[in-house]
Amino acid sequence: EAQVTQNPRYLITVTGKKLTVTCSQNMNHEYMSWYRQDPGLGLRQIYYSMNVEVTDKGDVPEGYKVSRKEKRNFPLILESPSPNQTSLYFCASSALAGAHEQYFGPGTRLTVT
Amino acid sequence: GDSVTQMEGPVTLSEEAFLTINCTYTATGYPSLFWYVQYPGEGLQLLLKATKADDKGSNKGFEATYRKETTSFHLEKGSVQVSDSAVYFCALSAPYGNNRLAFGKGNQVVVIP
Repeated sequence: EAQVTQNPRYLITVTGKKLTVTCSQNMNHEYMSWYRQDPGLGLRQIYYSMNVEVTDKGDVPEGYKVSRKEKRNFPLILESPSPNQTSLYFCASSALAGAHEQYFGPGTRLTVT
Repeated sequence: GDSVTQMEGPVTLSEEAFLTINCTYTATGYPSLFWYVQYPGEGLQLLLKATKADDKGSNKGFEATYRKETTSFHLEKGSVQVSDSAVYFCALSAPYGNNRLAFGKGNQVVVIP
């Protein structure tokens, strides 16, 4: 089954404690992105990747890092989480840019206290 | 920059009623337009898309037409069911660059039996 998986699904942590949210896709897609969803703001892109070792900032990259060492994986790293990073995070992948459908993971709900 | 505006507020309607959710966009060039749906506790799923002017996307009884002259992509369904209760997001993707989906804020649709 074609899918995007994320782990963990739920995470409560404290300010400053480094964490990683994993994302993996099994569709051999070139493009992957991270979005955050906040009430009243819709989804906003954090980072994206066009291929292995090629990543770039999206609209709201501050406080986040990513890496793309393998095509299927695209982890999101918060080196020093802060309460304003409490949000619902989605990973997405697509075969190509533009008109192609993006496939979304189930989401990770992060709470930073 | 590219952006999407959806009508404000949740939408509550009775089963078998007609549904319209308005979406307008601002973009340079010729973006692709999408409607994504998010069911409770799940990630986003593509509902329909259109990639050029006057294209009509359709799926599961939902339709939307790409209107370049009014920069709109309104979602319609003739007879909603309780199972259509979800959050609906309009989005656009430019045919270049970072594969970013620019989302509207979303509309919660509640269908009452």
